[in-house]
Amino acid sequence: NAGVTQTPKFRVLKTGQSMTLLCAQDMNHEYMYWYRQDPGMGLRLIHYSVGEGTTAKGEVPDGYNVSRLKKQNFLLGLESAAPSQTSVYFCASSSADRHYGYTFGSGTRLTVV
Amino acid sequence: AQSVAQPEDQVNVAEGNPLTVKCTYSVSGNPYLFWYVQYPNRGLQFLLKYITGDNLVKGSYGFEAEFNKSQTSFHLKKPSALVSDSALYFCAVRDIGEGNNRLAFGKGNQVVVIP
Repeated sequence: NAGVTQTPKFRVLKTGQSMTLLCAQDMNHEYMYWYRQDPGMGLRLIHYSVGEGTTAKGEVPDGYNVSRLKKQNFLLGLESAAPSQTSVYFCASSSADRHYGYTFGSGTRLTVV
Repeated sequence: AQSVAQPEDQVNVAEGNPLTVKCTYSVSGNPYLFWYVQYPNRGLQFLLKYITGDNLVKGSYGFEAEFNKSQTSFHLKKPSALVSDSALYFCAVRDIGEGNNRLAFGKGNQVVVIP
């Protein structure tokens, strides 16, 4: 049981380039989330999804887009990368049972130069 | 909306001494509370949670946490810290009165255990 898998684990982009981060979960979870983690800032929610085909904005959505075409996958896109998007990105998922918390992936370290 | 405060950026403790990481929360209804740990270059891992019942909950790696409703706190504790406990710790809360499934996370506490 892999849990939450993020690909890639590391990436260096040039300013203006685009890329997609993939998150896949095999726990049949309804909810999925994308966070960014920066030193001293904690976790900040970028976008989230409450089910297949639905997405919503979090705290810091600007510069990012997401899609949830399949229940198990949640994609985060950067259309035109900026140095301010240098960060560690975490995906998480959770079931509809509110007694349980989130399961996190191992993260993607993105550097924009 | 729910929120969490972790007032200390860093907690330093000598190996073998008790470790406490503080967390206070704010919700409009009743809370579900969680602690996560993040080791360097890793994702967040679940440690323990409070849902209902006994105010003292026990979790992984010898950690425990005490729910105090009157003080709206959920402090994480370990009786005897190990060097391997050095990590970033996050407290999170879910307001069960809210209609969504979202967790609110604190900013995290860096724990440094000194040999």
